[in-house]
Formats: sequence, structure tokens, C-alpha cells
Amino acid sequence: KAGVTQTPRYLIKTRGQQVTLSCSPISGHRSVSWYQQTPGQGLQFLFEYFSETQRNKGNFPGRFSGRQFSNSRSEMNVSTLELGDSALYLCASSLAQREEGWELFFGEGSRLTVL
Amino acid sequence: AQKVTQAQTEISVVEKEDVTLDCVYETRDTTYYLFWYKQPPSGELVFLIRRNSFDEQNEISGRYSWNFQKSTSSFNFTITASQVVDSAVYFCALSEAVGGKLIFGQGTELSVKP
Repeated sequence: KAGVTQTPRYLIKTRGQQVTLSCSPISGHRSVSWYQQTPGQGLQFLFEYFSETQRNKGNFPGRFSGRQFSNSRSEMNVSTLELGDSALYLCASSLAQREEGWELFFGEGSRLTVL
Repeated sequence: AQKVTQAQTEISVVEKEDVTLDCVYETRDTTYYLFWYKQPPSGELVFLIRRNSFDEQNEISGRYSWNFQKSTSSFNFTITASQVVDSAVYFCALSEAVGGKLIFGQGTELSVKP
């Protein structure tokens, strides 16, 4: 079955702009999580959505937001971009059910460069 | 507080050598989950293993093996007879609940030379 799909794969923005990234989870997966990966801070959890509700949130400013649609697809938005937002943004999906095993399956990421 | 420490930033070995990647974790919960992921240059994190805190059995999968020791809060990963294709960044991660929030270590970059 198809894996986690993230679009766009690469994008360049300038400071002050906003950006929207999209994630299509594996079919049947209801949980979608977002992570930011930078050389300095490593992999950091942004937020998780389950059945269109934010279930968990990391320590990021309010400029970072997300949402999940009824088909489990998710988007994250970063407003008023800063240079430090340059990163690889990874999306992961899972069944999120203890009995089923709930490994996170990751997409290839969206690489954002802020100039 | 939850924390995962991978003290080895980079490891370089020659093909066919065995290599062990160390992972030490901190958590106050009695129930938790530990993971290993592999990140090749393409960027995608590839799931390798999940271990529950109540299952201390070690696991072997082909050339890969994992040693989970609660007494030392460690979850080490060994690759036997390493191959060039094993070159990647390896991440250890911790979760205290079922769901999408994982705490990752800083990663160990493994380079296997022919």
C-alpha cells in the first residue's frame, strides 16, 4: 500500500511569508504527527492529530499550527517565517491503537528554506 | 522528564565489522515504548523496532539485534557483519503513551566503508 506522502518536497520562502505543508497518511491511519528536524535541535515533535482533533502538542510558538481533515489528510502552517524555521518537516502516520501495534510511518519530508 | 541520549555522534567501521549503537533513556513512567529508526540520505525515517517496557526480551532480526536493559535504562542496537547499505543516521526514541509523540535522541551517523 502507498506510504506517507508529503508535498511539496522542497520549497523556498522569504522571512515574513507563510507556508502550508501537506501530508497524506497511509490508508486507514487516523493519527498524523508532525516533526521538525534541524541540525542543531534534531528531531522535535510539533503536534499530533487524531480524528481531526489535536491530541498532543510540542513546545513550538503559535506561529506553527495544523489541522486534520475528515479523510485524515493533514496540513501544517507556519506563519511569519523566520530564518530559524528552515528545516526538514516530517509527517508520520500510525494506527495509534495499542492492540494493533502503532509504529509511526514517516514520509520523506518537506525541506523548507527560509531566506 | 523524558530524555533520550545517544552519546555516539558518528561511528565509522569497515564492512563486515560488528557495530553497536548505544541508547540511554530517562523516564518516570513505568509503561513506555522504545524505538529505533533509520534515516538514509533520502530523509525518510524507516521503522526498525518497537519495544514495550514490560518486555525485556532481546530481539534478533537478521543481522540486527537489540539489547533492552531496564536496570541501566539502555536499549542498544547491534549490527552484525555491517554492510555499506547500513550507512545512515540511526535514531533511538521514547514514547510514554500510544500515539504520535516520540522523544528522539540526537542520532548516530554510521558510516560503513568497503
